[in-house]
Amino acid sequence: GDSVTQMEGPVTLSEEAFLTINCTYTATGYPSLFWYVQYPGEGLQLLLKATKADDKGSNKGFEATYRKETTSFHLEKGSVQVSDSAVYFCALPIYNQGGKLIFGQGTELSVKP
Amino acid sequence: ETGVTQSPTHLIKTRGQQVTLRCSSQSGHNTVSWYQQALGQGPQFIFQYYREEENGRGNFPPRFSGLQFPNYSSELNVNALELDDSALYLCASSTAEAGELFFGEGSRLTVL
Repeated sequence: GDSVTQMEGPVTLSEEAFLTINCTYTATGYPSLFWYVQYPGEGLQLLLKATKADDKGSNKGFEATYRKETTSFHLEKGSVQVSDSAVYFCALPIYNQGGKLIFGQGTELSVKP
Repeated sequence: ETGVTQSPTHLIKTRGQQVTLRCSSQSGHNTVSWYQQALGQGPQFIFQYYREEENGRGNFPPRFSGLQFPNYSSELNVNALELDDSALYLCASSTAEAGELFFGEGSRLTVL
C-alpha cells in the first residue's frame, strides 16, 4: 500500500545551518505531496506542497522538489532559525480519496542559537 | 475568520470508559476529518465527514464513531477505551473532499 518514510530525528542544528529532511514515498499514480509543520503545543500547518513531478513547493524559505524518478520529496532550507524548531511531517493523499492523508512519522528539528 | 477549534484540550479517562471529543470547523468548510497522533508518531486517518455523511474510514475499529452536524461541526466518540487510545486527536476541516486541510490544536486524551 501507499506509504511515506521520513528520516528519523531528532535533528539538532545551529542557527544559520543548512537543513535537509529526507522523505521518500510509495504511491499509486502520481499524487500531490505535502510537508506539514507542527510547532510545540499547536496543530499541524501546511508548510508547502507540490502537485506534479518536478514541481518545487516553497514557503518561508523552505523548499521541496517532487522527484518522480527517486520517489522523493526532501525538505530543505538554506539557513535555519531558532523559530524553525518544530516537528516536520511529509504526507501524501490516500489513493483515490482526496483530503485524506498518509503522514510520515515526523522529524523533530531543534535549532540552537 | 475563526479557525478550527477543538474541545476539550486535555482529558483523562480510565479503561472501559467512553469519551466524546468536539470540533468546530473553520467558517465555510463543509468537510471534517479526524486523525489520531500517538506520541512520537505521525497522525493516522480515522474518518472523514462530508455534509453529515461518513466519507471514508481508516483502519480503526467500530468503537471509534463520529457525527457531523448541520453547521458542519463534528464529534468523535470512542467507546470501551483502551490504554492504546492515549493520543492527541486532531480535527481538520476543508472546503471540499480534496481541499487543503486546516488543523485544530488537538485534544490530548490519556487513558489510565
